[in-house]
Formats: sequence, structure tokens, C-alpha cells
Amino acid sequence: EAGVTQFPSHSVIEKGQTVTLRCDPISGHDNLYWYRRVMGKEIKFLLHFVKESKQDESGMPNNRFLAERTGGTYSTLKVQPAELEDSGVYFCASSHGQGFAYGYTFGSGTRLTVV
Amino acid sequence: GDSVTQMEGPVTLSEEAFLTINCTYTATGYPSLFWYVQYPGEGLQLLLKATKADDKGSNKGFEATYRKETTSFHLEKGSVQVSDSAVYFCALSEIIQGAQKLVFGQGTRLTINP
Repeated sequence: EAGVTQFPSHSVIEKGQTVTLRCDPISGHDNLYWYRRVMGKEIKFLLHFVKESKQDESGMPNNRFLAERTGGTYSTLKVQPAELEDSGVYFCASSHGQGFAYGYTFGSGTRLTVV
Repeated sequence: GDSVTQMEGPVTLSEEAFLTINCTYTATGYPSLFWYVQYPGEGLQLLLKATKADDKGSNKGFEATYRKETTSFHLEKGSVQVSDSAVYFCALSEIIQGAQKLVFGQGTRLTINP
């Protein structure tokens, strides 16, 4: 079984540019989560999809961030325009059900650097 | 809201040393507690978990006990190896709108020297 795949693994962009991160969950996992770790601090929840619907987007920092999951398969997270404080590692995770009994598998993350 | 506090790193030890990484939490309910590990170039992996007070999670020689009275979940290993070098994250689960999501500590970078 393939794991959660994220790409790119690294991205360096200039302030004001747009970047799109992609996450491919494990096949058949309806639940997809985005988290991020900024400046070596704690990893924070961003949002949660159930299939193509946003179940909880309470962690999205502002309207420069747009997440989509068309068709309930892969998800994208777009940052437009990027700011310096957006630098960090963005993690995606997926699970079959909504509780930890179902397991929660993380990807290796995308390291975003805004200069 | 709920929160997790970990001891600050980085932590550097010699091989075969004893390891303790402290973790305390604040929660309104009775969360499950986790330790995740991120090895270089890899994703977050679940290392161990405990779902109720006094439970002990263990894996790969690591252990942590859910201490409700001290709201702690300290990670320990009796004899570390170079391959244990990684970043360790303590986390708790909270239930929001019927779905569990994780609240993480800031991570502790561990380096083991041969």
C-alpha cells in the first residue's frame, strides 16, 4: 500500500508569489488533514476534509490560504500571495475513519521557504 | 484550548545513554496521548500511544506512561542508539465536531553520537 505522498518536497519562492502544495492520500481514505510547522514551533492543525467537503477549517490562518479536494481524491493547498511568515513544513495526513482507531498516516511534508 | 509542552532541545547524548524527553499537557477532557517521531527525510510516524490514565505505551524500546495526576507523558528509553536520532513530538488528541485532531508540542531534536 502506497503511503501519503506530498510534493514538492521543497519549494523556495519569493514573497508575493503563489505556491501550490499537493497531497495524495492513501487510496480509499476519505479523511484528509493538513498541518504545518512554522519556525521550528509546534505542528498546528490547518483543516480537515471528509471526501471533497471541508469538515473543519478552523486552523486556516487567513484568506491567503485555499485548500481544495476535488473529487475527494488528492488535495491542494494554495498560498497566494505568500508571505515570509508562511515558511515552514506543511504536513498532510489521511485516515479511513475519523477516529484514531482507524490510524492516521502522515506524509513526509513539504518544506516551504518564502524569501 | 488544549496544549502540549515539551522540553526544549536540541538534546545530544552518547550511544547507550538513558533518554528522557519531558512532555506535559493541558486538556479539558480525557485525551489520548501520543509520541510521534520524524526521522531525517521522512514523514511523521506514530511511535507509541496511550488512551487512558496509567496506560503505558511502548515501541522500539521507548516507553511513556499516561500520568493524569501530573498531566505528563514523558518519553524514556534505557539505551539509545545512533539510529534514534530524530525529532520527537508529543501530542494529544481532541475531539472537535466528532473528529479527532492532534495538538502537538514544539518537538525535540535528538542527536545520538557514537
